[in-house]
Amino acid sequence: GQSLEQPSEVTAVEGAIVQINCTYQTSGFYGLSWYQQHDGGAPTFLSYNALDGLEETGRFSSFLSRSDSYGYLLLQELQMKDSASYFCAVYFTGNTPLVFGKGTRLSVIA
Amino acid sequence: NAGVMQNPRHLVRRRGQEARLRCSPMKGHSHVYWYRQLPEEGLKFMVYLQKENIIDESGMPKERFSAEFPKEGPSILRIQQVVRGDSAAYFCASSPRTSGGPSEQYFGPGTRLTVT
Repeated sequence: GQSLEQPSEVTAVEGAIVQINCTYQTSGFYGLSWYQQHDGGAPTFLSYNALDGLEETGRFSSFLSRSDSYGYLLLQELQMKDSASYFCAVYFTGNTPLVFGKGTRLSVIA
Repeated sequence: NAGVMQNPRHLVRRRGQEARLRCSPMKGHSHVYWYRQLPEEGLKFMVYLQKENIIDESGMPKERFSAEFPKEGPSILRIQQVVRGDSAAYFCASSPRTSGGPSEQYFGPGTRLTVT
């Protein structure tokens, strides 16, 4: 089947670096995306990896390794406003649009 | 350029009533996706539509649920004879082309349905 696994909760200190991992099981897919969702809000797009390697966008970076069926989101210089849920999502081959993981709730503490 | 619009933002229905959720995609976007999110859960795909066509409804329950995206007007997700288990946040997303290549879908603010 098609599934994504990510930790349910992560806590980190303001100013620190945190990595949120995502492992997946699929026979083929187009790429791995990351979305951020604050409580009561809509998911907002953060990054997309179509190819293996690291993509950097400001304080956020995302990594993909297709051979390891693994990716991660890296958040640097954490701020309190980064406290939110983070979802990895994939486009699998076929017609199904986005398939989301269950999300990782990040809590940034002072 | 206005983002994805959804209304109502909050909807309360009694068991057995009908719920009608609307979604207007971003200007220039012809692909609409509906997702459902239960508390503390990820988003679950329900249905993917283009103008006047249902492309993929594999995530939508066969009974009581229907969706449309007419040539004119918003996309509508309709839930008939609602039950308490239908209580959830329903998000609409749009993109300018198929999900087979691009990375980004733009999400609306969601409709939070409460069934009493």
